[in-house]
Amino acid sequence: DAKTTQPTSMDCAEGRAANLPCNHSTISGNEYVYWYRQIHSQGPQYIIHGLKNNETNEMASLIITEDRKSSTLILPHATLRDTAVYYCIVRVAHQGAQKLVFGQGTRLTINP
Amino acid sequence: DAGVIQSPRHEVTEMGQEVTLRCKPISGHDYLFWYRQTMMRGLELLIYFNNNVPIDDSGMPEDRFSAKMPNASFSTLKIQPSEPRDSAVYFCASSLVPSRADTQYFGPGTRLTVL
Repeated sequence: DAKTTQPTSMDCAEGRAANLPCNHSTISGNEYVYWYRQIHSQGPQYIIHGLKNNETNEMASLIITEDRKSSTLILPHATLRDTAVYYCIVRVAHQGAQKLVFGQGTRLTINP
Repeated sequence: DAGVIQSPRHEVTEMGQEVTLRCKPISGHDYLFWYRQTMMRGLELLIYFNNNVPIDDSGMPEDRFSAKMPNASFSTLKIQPSEPRDSAVYFCASSLVPSRADTQYFGPGTRLTVL
């Protein structure tokens, strides 16, 4: 699975959009970009994933650059409950080997 | 569905004792994963099962660690004998393949402290 690079920490004001970047310059053509988050003392939680098109769901939006070497997770109206560690993971989907390799992630703090 | 269930939520034991962690995956899910999380090493995959069969146990740190899945609704992770460096939060996760999101659903974890 391709390696990802994320900032160690970020801050965002409550109610504003939180934009979390991820670099994955060695991503392969069949690898998806996944985002998970881990709120303190809880298990990781799936947020969103995509291959090359931008994706949106009830939690967030995922913007993937045309060359697929980087992506941005957008939380459109951040709340205090969005304070968590956010993990960007690239991996092949829908295959037998389903490893999720977690890096250090970005610690996002939403400030009131 | 109640989600992935893990027990106990907290375990405190003394070095040398046997520890057994339990997991009930989401009904119908055919993959089950065991992860360990520490401050130093982050989240690490220990082992995963497909249809109750261990597929990859390369993350299991030592022979002291063993995992079983006797049926589709139950798995155990056993440490015998336990050591202080085994102190960590252990997560169980399950997933259904194929599915649109290929998502893993995590349990609340078991916090293990070995004194």
